[in-house]
Amino acid sequence: DAEITQSPRHKITETGRQVTLACHQTWNHNNMFWYRQDLGHGLRLIHYSYGVQDTNKGEVSDGYSVSRSNTEDLPLTLESAASSQTSVYFCASSEGGSGNTIYFGEGSWLTVV
Amino acid sequence: GNSVTQMEGPVTLSEEAFLTINCTYTATGYPSLFWYVQYPGEGLQLLLKATKADDKGSNKGFEATYRKETTSFHLEKGSVQVSDSAVYFCALNRAAGNKLTFGGGTRVLVKP
Repeated sequence: DAEITQSPRHKITETGRQVTLACHQTWNHNNMFWYRQDLGHGLRLIHYSYGVQDTNKGEVSDGYSVSRSNTEDLPLTLESAASSQTSVYFCASSEGGSGNTIYFGEGSWLTVV
Repeated sequence: GNSVTQMEGPVTLSEEAFLTINCTYTATGYPSLFWYVQYPGEGLQLLLKATKADDKGSNKGFEATYRKETTSFHLEKGSVQVSDSAVYFCALNRAAGNKLTFGGGTRVLVKP
């Protein structure tokens, strides 16, 4: 079955370190997204991509970057981790079009100490 | 811009009780509307969706009707089970490219 996987599922890192969260989907979806989930805020969009070599900023993109070198992967990089980036991160993918289902990974729990 | 407002939780119910979670939205035009569910320790799963006014989405005993006149998409279930304990998110999609705007989530706890 097609799926979307994230790694690592849990990580503790120190302030100032660079961290990369991996996301891999096997649906061959063009659209991929990264969200963060925080209590009281629901999910907020960090970055998204509509295809290879395409990346776009979401509403909370400061301190994060993504790259899209192939269809399957959209890694999320925290250039210099901050305590405010302690959160649960979800990767998602979908086909194009506004009514299509978006599929989510199981999440990556990141703690910055 | 687009926004989604849903009732704050937690909502605590007894098994077999009726569940309603209110959701209202602000958006230009005609968004698609979704309910996602997140079980403990898991990612989000699509529960149901509606893509145009007056459409009713349904799944696993849950229903929601797209009401354009009241800009609402309330989630209902007639008889909840302990296994329905989860966080429920209302969301909309208006922009091209399928970007979702989420509400803050409502935690539901069903007690035996």
